[in-house]
Amino acid sequence: AQRVTQPEKLLSVFKGAPVELKCNYSYSGSPELFWYVQYSRQRLQLLLRHISRESIKGFTADLNKGETSFHLKKPFAQEEDSAMYYCALSGSARQLTFGSGTQLTVLP
Amino acid sequence: GAGVSQSPRYKVAKRGQDVALRCDPISGHVSLFWYQQALGQGPEFLTYFQNEAQLDKSGLPSDRFFAERPEGSVSTLKIQRTQQEDSAVYLCASIIWLRTEARKGQYFGPGTRLLVL
Repeated sequence: AQRVTQPEKLLSVFKGAPVELKCNYSYSGSPELFWYVQYSRQRLQLLLRHISRESIKGFTADLNKGETSFHLKKPFAQEEDSAMYYCALSGSARQLTFGSGTQLTVLP
Repeated sequence: GAGVSQSPRYKVAKRGQDVALRCDPISGHVSLFWYQQALGQGPEFLTYFQNEAQLDKSGLPSDRFFAERPEGSVSTLKIQRTQQEDSAVYLCASIIWLRTEARKGQYFGPGTRLLVL
């Protein structure tokens, strides 16, 4: 069975501070990992995916197979980063398995 | 259209009523997924179509839930004899072609918020 755990329901940081949103997964094969973001009153949208090793809006995430983690990081948080963030996994079953989400609030 | 659309955006139903939720995927998108998102939780998989074929319905919580995509484009999720525990946001997502494009992630609709009284 595949599972995604996001241990923090709420996370608050000050503007300009580093931020890390934690994600751990359980999957027996080689998963594909994603971070999705939902801004207030907007739909769920893809932020980044591990396969492309890209940086989007200053966010990066590295897949650590040894620790089965895919934490999302940004060195300097901005107020516009305030949103709900979901970590998701796609295995052989095709559909996405989501974590329960972390609500990030960036304080001025 | 520019993205995945869903209708209605909000639906209030009395317990025992049947409801139908519609999803219009992005034109040309072969694969379509339905998810259920309860309050305070992440989306949970319900069912998946490739064109008109329903390839996986393992996430449907009961036989009161039924989904179809008869012409391989628009999909309808039907819930019969609604119960209070069916209250949730129902999300639809599409992807152009699973094998080559799955790594780009799924495109989500705005969701239908269902409240069963």
